[in-house]
Amino acid sequence: KAGVTQTPRYLIKTRGQQVTLSCSPISGHRSVSWYQQTPGQGLQFLFEYFSETQRNKGNFPGRFSGRQFSNSRSEMNVSTLELGDSALYLCASSRAGTNTGANVLTFGAGSRLTVL
Amino acid sequence: AQSVAQPEDQVNVAEGNPLTVKCTYSVSGNPYLFWYVQYPNRGLQFLLKYITGDNLVKGSYGFEAEFNKSQTSFHLKKPSALVSDSALYFCAVRDKRNNDMRFGAGTRLTVKP
Repeated sequence: KAGVTQTPRYLIKTRGQQVTLSCSPISGHRSVSWYQQTPGQGLQFLFEYFSETQRNKGNFPGRFSGRQFSNSRSEMNVSTLELGDSALYLCASSRAGTNTGANVLTFGAGSRLTVL
Repeated sequence: AQSVAQPEDQVNVAEGNPLTVKCTYSVSGNPYLFWYVQYPNRGLQFLLKYITGDNLVKGSYGFEAEFNKSQTSFHLKKPSALVSDSALYFCAVRDKRNNDMRFGAGTRLTVKP
């Protein structure tokens, strides 16, 4: 079956612009989580969605937002981009109800954002 | 507070030698523990997890990890390294009480022929 699909894979933006990233989870997975990966900080948790509701949120400014649709696809948006937002943004889906317990996360290949 | 530490940014081993990638954590209770691997230009892939029971967990590609409660460690091991094992390895911890999941900063493993 298809894995977690993230689009676009690569994109370049300039400071002040906004960006929207998309994530299609594995069929049947209802939980979608987003992470930011940078060389210095490793993986930082952004937020998790389940049944169109945000269940958990990491420590990121309000410029970072997301949503989930009824088909479990998710988008995240970053407004007023800053240079420091350059990173690999990873989406992960989980089979069970939420990003909980011993559930294994299945990651997409990521969207690499470069802010100039 | 919950945190995951991977004390080594880089681990170098020769092919055929055993490898160890270290992970320690600080969280109350008995958390769930995971190892993930990331190959270049790819997302993270699940290797293994510890839930409960036997302290030695076996996973994919010949990897195993040993849970040590007294030392709050979950080191990843493999008896004989392959060049193809070269990748970035992440340890992750999930607190059962609040389901908060944290990843370590990652350890880059390089296996030389």
